[in-house]
Amino acid sequence: DVKVTQSSRYLVKRTGEKVFLECVQDMDHENMFWYRQDPGLGLRLIYFSYDVKMKEKGDIPEGYSVSREKKERFSLILESASTNQTSMYLCASSLLGQGGNSPLHFGNGTRLTVT
Amino acid sequence: AQSVSQHNHHVILSEAASLELGCNYSYGGTVNLFWYVQYPGQHLQLLLKYFSGDPLVKGIKGFEAEFIKSKFSFNLRKPSVQWSDTAEYFCAVNALYNDMRFGAGTRLTVKP
Repeated sequence: DVKVTQSSRYLVKRTGEKVFLECVQDMDHENMFWYRQDPGLGLRLIYFSYDVKMKEKGDIPEGYSVSREKKERFSLILESASTNQTSMYLCASSLLGQGGNSPLHFGNGTRLTVT
Repeated sequence: AQSVSQHNHHVILSEAASLELGCNYSYGGTVNLFWYVQYPGQHLQLLLKYFSGDPLVKGIKGFEAEFIKSKFSFNLRKPSVQWSDTAEYFCAVNALYNDMRFGAGTRLTVKP
């Protein structure tokens, strides 16, 4: 069974801090994703990656960056945290698949509060 | 990029009632369609998926969904809901590039 592990379940940070959210998957998936989940807005794609050292912007990349140095690990970085980045952050992975037919496997999420 | 609309934000049903949750997407090309479910306190998990072939797909726990290409819709159905179906349901669309987009979600509350 695929396991996607997010390093922290809850995180509290101060405005202006640099924040790292870590995600590791154990199934050799090519694709990895970061979403944020907010009530009434569903899941919004921040960044995704097809392969090591590759990254693509999603719909809301502003204020975020990512790093994928190893296939199994995908990090989300908040360069200078702001209160509007308080949210639940979800990491997911999937096989490369054919034409987008691979389902996502999700981690349990990191609830980040920025004060 | 593709986008997804879920029209029902919160649905409240009694046990044994039938369920239909709406999902519409916007994208002109070939799509892959998914429904995910998030039970309280748990991570999102796949309910069912459509890639090609029979437009009526069956998933886990008695759920099914019908792809109607002319209406750009992929509605989720269940003939008789149970209290344990209380959860949030998300419709999602993947086009060619694996950048899956989700709808805003529908919260389902089933009264015992």
